[in-house]
Amino acid sequence: AQSVTQLGSHVSVSEGALVLLRCNYSSSVPPYLFWYVQYPNQGLQLLLKYTTGATLVKGINGFEAEFKKSETSFHLTKPSAHMSDAAEYFCAVSSYNQGGKLIFGQGTELSVKP
Amino acid sequence: DTGVSQDPRHKITKRGQNVTFRCDPISEHNRLYWYRQTLGQGPEFLTYFQNEAQLEKSRLLSDRFSAERPKGSFSTLEIQRTEQGDSAMYLCASSLSGYDSPLHFGNGTRLTVT
Repeated sequence: AQSVTQLGSHVSVSEGALVLLRCNYSSSVPPYLFWYVQYPNQGLQLLLKYTTGATLVKGINGFEAEFKKSETSFHLTKPSAHMSDAAEYFCAVSSYNQGGKLIFGQGTELSVKP
Repeated sequence: DTGVSQDPRHKITKRGQNVTFRCDPISEHNRLYWYRQTLGQGPEFLTYFQNEAQLEKSRLLSDRFSAERPKGSFSTLEIQRTEQGDSAMYLCASSLSGYDSPLHFGNGTRLTVT
């Protein structure tokens, strides 16, 4: 079975500061990893994904994530936070034998202080 | 790409009543997924379709829940004899059939059972 753990249900940063949201996964087969963002009362929007190849993945809005197999991690970073980044962020895992189904973590709420 | 559309956006019902939600996926997507999300939690997988075939159902999906995708296009999710514990956001997503294809989410239907 696959699972995702997001460390920290709430993260608060100042505008312009580094954003780091942590995600660890468990999978018995090579994982596909995703980060999604959710704004209030909306669905989820894909930020970035890792499937194979380059382990540093760049996404939209200046976000990037690095797949580290040895650490079973896929942390999300952004060098400089913007007020508009305040939202809920979800890490998710899938694999070739899951029919495309995603297993989500519990989410991390990001607050950005002016 | 007009996005995934869900209807209604909000539904308030009394305990014991039946409700039905509709999802229109992105037209070229042959996979369709239903998820449930409660406050402060990540989305939980309910079921998914490949074209009109329902390929997997979660154990979360009790006998009171039924989903259909009759012509491989739109889908409906029906909840019979609603209970207060059914109150949640119901999210629909669609994707292409590749194992690493990202899911595209609708804005969800928020169900409140009183």
